[in-house]
Amino acid sequence: SQQGEEDPQALSIQEGENATMNCSYKTSINNLQWYRQNSGRGLVHLILIRSNEREKHSGRLRVTLDTSKKSSSLLITASRAADTASYFCATDPKSSGDKLTFGTGTRLAVRP
Amino acid sequence: KAGVTQTPRYLIKTRGQQVTLSCSPISGHRSVSWYQQTPGQGLQFLFEYFSETQRNKGNFPGRFSGRQFSNSRSEMNVSTLELGDSALYLCASCQGDREGQPQHFGDGTRLSIL
Repeated sequence: SQQGEEDPQALSIQEGENATMNCSYKTSINNLQWYRQNSGRGLVHLILIRSNEREKHSGRLRVTLDTSKKSSSLLITASRAADTASYFCATDPKSSGDKLTFGTGTRLAVRP
Repeated sequence: KAGVTQTPRYLIKTRGQQVTLSCSPISGHRSVSWYQQTPGQGLQFLFEYFSETQRNKGNFPGRFSGRQFSNSRSEMNVSTLELGDSALYLCASCQGDREGQPQHFGDGTRLSIL
C-alpha cells in the first residue's frame, strides 16, 4: 500500500512558472525524501528533510514538512522544460523494520 | 563512481517461465533494494538486502525471491511468471548503515510477459 499520496496527480505549467506538489502520509516518520523520475529511467534523489526540520532548500527546490498535518510540499521555482518528469515523495517510517515507501507521484509537464 | 547498473534493460518472457534480473550497486554500498513499478500500483517495495542478508521484505508472493553476493551485487528471481508481473523492476543501493540515506536507483529492467 502507498504511504504517501501526492497531489495533484498531474500538473502542466509554462516555463518560468513555479510548480508546487503536495504529499500526505499516514505514520510517524524519520525523514521524507523527494525523487524525480524521467520517462523510462530510474529515480533520482532530490532532497531529504528530517522530521525535526520544517523547511529545506536546494537550488530551485524548496521543501516544507508539517509533521502535525503529516504533509510535505515540493516547490520548484522558475521551472524549465527539463523539469518535465514525475515527482515522488518517499517516507522513511519510524517503525523499525518498515521500509522507505513511495507515494503515487505527480506528473509535471513544463511547456516551453 | 559508476552508478547502479541493472541488466538486462529489456526482457520478454511468456507465462510460466522464470526470470533472473541483476543489479550491481554503487561501489561501497552494502544495501540493495528492489522495487516493482506499474502504472496501476505505482512503486512497490519487494525486498532489501544488506551484507548478503534479507533485511526487509514487501508483500509479494513467494514466487519473488532474491539474493545478494559477497560483492554486494544482487539478483532477483521471479518464477512461474504471470501477465501481471509485467513491470519496470528497479534496484536501488545505499550504504545502508544508518538512517536517512538517499537511495541511488538504476534505470531498471522492463519485463514484459506475453
